[in-house]
Amino acid sequence: DAEITQSPRHKITETGRQVTLACHQTWNHNNMFWYRQDLGHGLRLIHYSYGVQDTNKGEVSDGYSVSRSNTEDLPLTLESAASSQTSVYFCASSGGIQETQYFGPGTRLLVL
Amino acid sequence: AQSVSQHNHHVILSEAASLELGCNYSYGGTVNLFWYVQYPGQHLQLLLKYFSGDPLVKGIKGFEAEFIKSKFSFNLRKPSVQWSDTAEYFCAVNALSNTGKLIFGQGTTLQVKP
Repeated sequence: DAEITQSPRHKITETGRQVTLACHQTWNHNNMFWYRQDLGHGLRLIHYSYGVQDTNKGEVSDGYSVSRSNTEDLPLTLESAASSQTSVYFCASSGGIQETQYFGPGTRLLVL
Repeated sequence: AQSVSQHNHHVILSEAASLELGCNYSYGGTVNLFWYVQYPGQHLQLLLKYFSGDPLVKGIKGFEAEFIKSKFSFNLRKPSVQWSDTAEYFCAVNALSNTGKLIFGQGTTLQVKP
């Protein structure tokens, strides 16, 4: 069955370190998204991609970057981790702009 | 700016009680609407969605939602909740001019007492 996976599921890092969160989908979806989930804020869009070599900034993109070198993967990089980036990160994908987004299991990140 | 508002942040119900969670959005154009559920420790799962047609949509596990365009609302309902419905519920809107980006509400935590 097609799926979307994220790794690691849990990560503890220190302030200032670079961290990369992986997202891999086997749906063959063109669109991929990264969200962060924080109490009282729901999910907020960080970055998104509509296809290979395409990346776009979302609502809360400062301090994050993504790259899309193939259809299946959209890694999220925290250039220099900050305590404010402690959160749960969800990756999602969809087959089209108007289609349902399917979510991965999430990565819980703690920045000390 | 487009926004989605969920009025109830924390709801506590007893089993068999009826549920209605409010969701309003601010966008005047055509929208696709979604309700997602997140059970404790799990990822978001789609409960139901509205794209077009009958404004009363039925989803999984006995949930339904009604799209009222004039009120910019998409409220979620269930006639009789179960303890297993304890979860966080998110309303989300895809404004079709917004190129596929989902705008989420803040979420509503539902606690069902056995």
